[in-house]
Amino acid sequence: KAGVTQTPRYLIKTRGQQVTLSCSPISGHRSVSWYQQTPGQGLQFLFEYFSETQRNKGNFPGRFSGRQFSNSRSEMNVSTLELGDSALYLCASSLTGAPSETQYFGPGTRLLVL
Amino acid sequence: GENVEQHPSTLSVQEGDSAVIKCTYSDSASNYFPWYKQELGKGPQLIIDIRSNVGEKKDQRIAVTLNKTAKHFSLHITETQPEDSAVYFCAAPDSNYQLIWGAGTKLIIKP
Repeated sequence: KAGVTQTPRYLIKTRGQQVTLSCSPISGHRSVSWYQQTPGQGLQFLFEYFSETQRNKGNFPGRFSGRQFSNSRSEMNVSTLELGDSALYLCASSLTGAPSETQYFGPGTRLLVL
Repeated sequence: GENVEQHPSTLSVQEGDSAVIKCTYSDSASNYFPWYKQELGKGPQLIIDIRSNVGEKKDQRIAVTLNKTAKHFSLHITETQPEDSAVYFCAAPDSNYQLIWGAGTKLIIKP
């Protein structure tokens, strides 16, 4: 079974631009969560999607948004990029999103904002 | 809401020695405690978890212990090997059924 894939793996943008990241979950998984990882900040939860609906949202500004398609693939968008948005963005999939389920992480997209 | 604190932030041990990472949580209703390992260039991967109805769980060289009264749980790695070098994260669910993550521990195995 193929794992979670994320594209692109690396991205360089300039301040003010917008970016879209993509995540393809494991086949059969309907929950996709997004995290921001910065050095010393651990894993910061962005949002979680299940059956095309956002079920939970972390404490991030409205510049961060996402969506999920009918095939469970998910995208996240960051508008008006700031230098502080430079981070590794991870997505994780699970069957239903229950906290006791194993989350399967992708390798991440490393975003650098100049 | 749930708060998860993880210590230490960096741990350096000699190859063959044991390593212990500790997490404390605040929500007494939390009932599931996973540990994830993140190797360089990869996403985190579940290595072991424990539910609140047991006090200890082992899987070969790794074990997790849970003290519900004190609200802390620990990861124990025995006979450490170079491939154990990674960042380890603990987590606990909050009342919204989202996992709250610890800040991570960078484990360094010295040869």
